[in-house]
Amino acid sequence: DTGVSQDPRHKITKRGQNVTFRCDPISEHNRLYWYRQTLGQGPEFLTYFQNEAQLEKSRLLSDRFSAERPKGSFSTLEIQRTEQGDSAMYLCASIRDGAFEQYFGPGTRLTVT
Amino acid sequence: RKEVEQDPGPFNVPEGATVAFNCTYSNSASQSFFWYRQDCRKEPKLLMSVYSSGNEDGRFTAQLNRASQYISLLIRDSKLSDSATYLCVVRTGGFKTIFGAGTRLFVKA
Repeated sequence: DTGVSQDPRHKITKRGQNVTFRCDPISEHNRLYWYRQTLGQGPEFLTYFQNEAQLEKSRLLSDRFSAERPKGSFSTLEIQRTEQGDSAMYLCASIRDGAFEQYFGPGTRLTVT
Repeated sequence: RKEVEQDPGPFNVPEGATVAFNCTYSNSASQSFFWYRQDCRKEPKLLMSVYSSGNEDGRFTAQLNRASQYISLLIRDSKLSDSATYLCVVRTGGFKTIFGAGTRLFVKA
């Protein structure tokens, strides 16, 4: 257990539905990342927060994806109108200022049917 | 071309073998380099940072060649517990982090 938690751990949804995932980082970590990982691939960068500010979004993050980090604490990732191609593991990681190591949560596995 | 490319693997080696993984990156402005380990159905965890001078941690040695934009990881005296996927990671611009696709290692008795 790295201290980063994610909820839910698994989500099965039907195509076209909206889903929201939550990440609770390690409390003193002000930087937070979201990644998406599919089978046989490494984690793909989606977005990055420093405190409550979203500083970078990947081109992978279409208009259907939105992420927030109110008050610089927990973060949510919402996917609207899910598609089968959204099926993946969604990983959250946090890191404190000046550190090298990102601490990953266990991930949320999304299956879109 | 992918920003970070790794040997495709999988590598199947006997216990006690020495195995080397290679990684190349395309962005010459990249600043920090790492190897992460990911066990099956688990989250990635930092194995070691990689420095230009090379660094060693027990049986693991990492090297960085900035001129060739190349990173390597050497594992000596492989153990069954080393079986995992090894991810090459490059950080640019202070925070953007790019992972390679990973190289799978199977160590057999």
